[in-house]
Amino acid sequence: RKEVEQDPGPFNVPEGATVAFNCTYSNSASQSFFWYRQDCRKEPKLLMSVYSSGNEDGRFTAQLNRASQYISLLIRDSKLSDSATYLCVPGPGGSQGNLIFGKGTKLSVKP
Amino acid sequence: GAVVSQHPSWVICKSGTSVKIECRSLDFQATTMFWYRQFPKQSLMLMATSNEGSKATYEQGVEKDKFLINHASLTLSTLTVTSAHPEDSSFYICSARDARISSYNSPLHFGNGTRLTVT
Repeated sequence: RKEVEQDPGPFNVPEGATVAFNCTYSNSASQSFFWYRQDCRKEPKLLMSVYSSGNEDGRFTAQLNRASQYISLLIRDSKLSDSATYLCVPGPGGSQGNLIFGKGTKLSVKP
Repeated sequence: GAVVSQHPSWVICKSGTSVKIECRSLDFQATTMFWYRQFPKQSLMLMATSNEGSKATYEQGVEKDKFLINHASLTLSTLTVTSAHPEDSSFYICSARDARISSYNSPLHFGNGTRLTVT
């Protein structure tokens, strides 16, 4: 079973739209969760860390449901610059302290 | 804070040559750094864990004699791709966790990556 399951997309939305990504994870012992965004041909950049039920930062809101092993990311008022791949990453990941990445969800915001 | 610098950003080399990639933590110390590799349309895959002052730990299928890792200080790890071949062409990315935050529950911070093309 994969560490995380994410809809690969692509999600094609117009500017200004609200979009939500879902992520289910397999390890019930996961204590922390990270949302990274990765632009094409670039490194992943940390968007948000989630340690409790959720987190909010401006237009971005993450919600965690431990009982269902589910975490979501909501983006309000989408901007063209939000176009990227969004990676849901539970921590701790590997035995070395590394994080384990899936392919993420691709978002394309259109004018 | 938590800036990781990687150099070079891109390199083109001929088959059979070696390429050295540097990864530096600029504003924090890192006893451990992680080297990932990403092929087009694939996810990041861990290659090896670099440990300051000791040998690196390699993931299954990654040749330690081909991908040499040196972590000589708390702020610098290097990855040398020896005798590079076209199939080694990929995006190599290092990452680190601030040693002051010892928990595995803290995020990793990534360098800007090195795009290697072997001709």
